[in-house]
Amino acid sequence: KQEVTQIPAALSVPEGENLVLNCSFTDSAIYNLQWFRQDPGKGLTSLLLIQSSQREQTSGRLNASLDKSSGRSTLYIAASQPGDSATYLCAMYSGGGADGLTFGKGTHLIIQP
Amino acid sequence: ETGVTQTPRHLVMGMTNKKSLKCEQHLGHNAMYWYKQSAKKPLELMFVYNFKEQTENNSVPSRFSPECPNSSHLFLHLHTLQPEDSALYLCASSQAGTGVFRGGYGYTFGSGTRLTVV
Repeated sequence: KQEVTQIPAALSVPEGENLVLNCSFTDSAIYNLQWFRQDPGKGLTSLLLIQSSQREQTSGRLNASLDKSSGRSTLYIAASQPGDSATYLCAMYSGGGADGLTFGKGTHLIIQP
Repeated sequence: ETGVTQTPRHLVMGMTNKKSLKCEQHLGHNAMYWYKQSAKKPLELMFVYNFKEQTENNSVPSRFSPECPNSSHLFLHLHTLQPEDSALYLCASSQAGTGVFRGGYGYTFGSGTRLTVV
């Protein structure tokens, strides 16, 4: 059974810093990995999708990497802004009998103005 | 309207009530999902519908009953719920791919229904 761990669980940093969020998973046989953000009481917004054949994806100030062999993914946020404050979730699709995504518990990020 | 739309946004119901949550996707996807999000826990997959057929229910209690009348609409019927069923219920959709995109092209989530059982 796939297990997903996100570290740290919470992070508070001053505006302007570059930061890295970590996601690790136990089963490297994944088809893809997706990063989401969730604002309080809201649904999930997709940030980046990395297929298993890819090593990274970039969108604006966000960069996500995938290392299947070590079971890790990182989300890099450059020049953080208060509007980046949210919970960041990583999730992966492993196929097989479980057709849904497996999620981590998320990293709660606060960017101080 | 685009994306995944869920109604209602908020719902308060008594333990003896019957209510339904609705989800509609305008993306032409061929799979839809119900997830439950409780405080301090990862999102839990409840139901999967691929091509309108339910493929997984993950041992969800029978007081939750899904319905998928077509590939664009998904319902979650609720009856005799318990207070511990209070949570954010999220609907999602995806499109399956082939080859290196066998895992699909990512999931799109709705804004969720905040359910409170009293």
